[in-house]
Amino acid sequence: SSELTQDPVVSVALGQTVRITCQGDSLRNYYGSWYQQKPGQAPVVVIYGKNNRPSGIPDRFSGSSSGNTASLTITGAQAEDEADYYCNSRDTSGNHVVFGGGTKVTVL
Amino acid sequence: QVHLVQSGAEVKKPGASVKVSCKPSGYTFTGYYMHWVRQAPGQGLEWMGRINPSSGGTNYAQKFQGRVTMTRDTSISTAYMELSRLKSDDTAVYYCARGGYGDYTFEYWGQGTLVTVSS
Repeated sequence: SSELTQDPVVSVALGQTVRITCQGDSLRNYYGSWYQQKPGQAPVVVIYGKNNRPSGIPDRFSGSSSGNTASLTITGAQAEDEADYYCNSRDTSGNHVVFGGGTKVTVL
Repeated sequence: QVHLVQSGAEVKKPGASVKVSCKPSGYTFTGYYMHWVRQAPGQGLEWMGRINPSSGGTNYAQKFQGRVTMTRDTSISTAYMELSRLKSDDTAVYYCARGGYGDYTFEYWGQGTLVTVSS
């Protein structure tokens, strides 16, 4: 399968914790990477590999993986975390890249 | 500091072709795959394919096979994505992105190029 599945919409209260998941067969072999995208901007990677944050990404963002599911957790969500979040990985063939459909995170 | 600078917005008629350029700086052009990702208005990210700037070898998403051509010019360190036989649903922002971890993590992105297909 070359698909990655995400919940379309998730909401979180300010300061609370939210977990976003991404499911797909390829995630049994590859870690998911996670991107944050705000309107009118290019995506920004927030997590990659087992649980790596690029320089400048707050440590409230963390990643984990189990079986065919990759997860992105925001611990203590802030208003500026309201955005679309996408996962990606290679597909099951390993030759192509796939993205999940995206999750819109609303901070209440 | 790594930057990827793309060419400007384009308006095309159905059936035409468009060629978008991406010129990176701040690293060795031939050292990393260059990927192309598009995003239709209000939609998600869609991977189109990648090119190895060193060899010129390409991998395309099946959806775009036969319509997309990715090339590079190493003399000017520029990558190109050409999409032919344009349709209205090709209207999208097209991004180039440098391959990183696992060659599917994209830490560096171009600013995006809006391609509008309209009669």
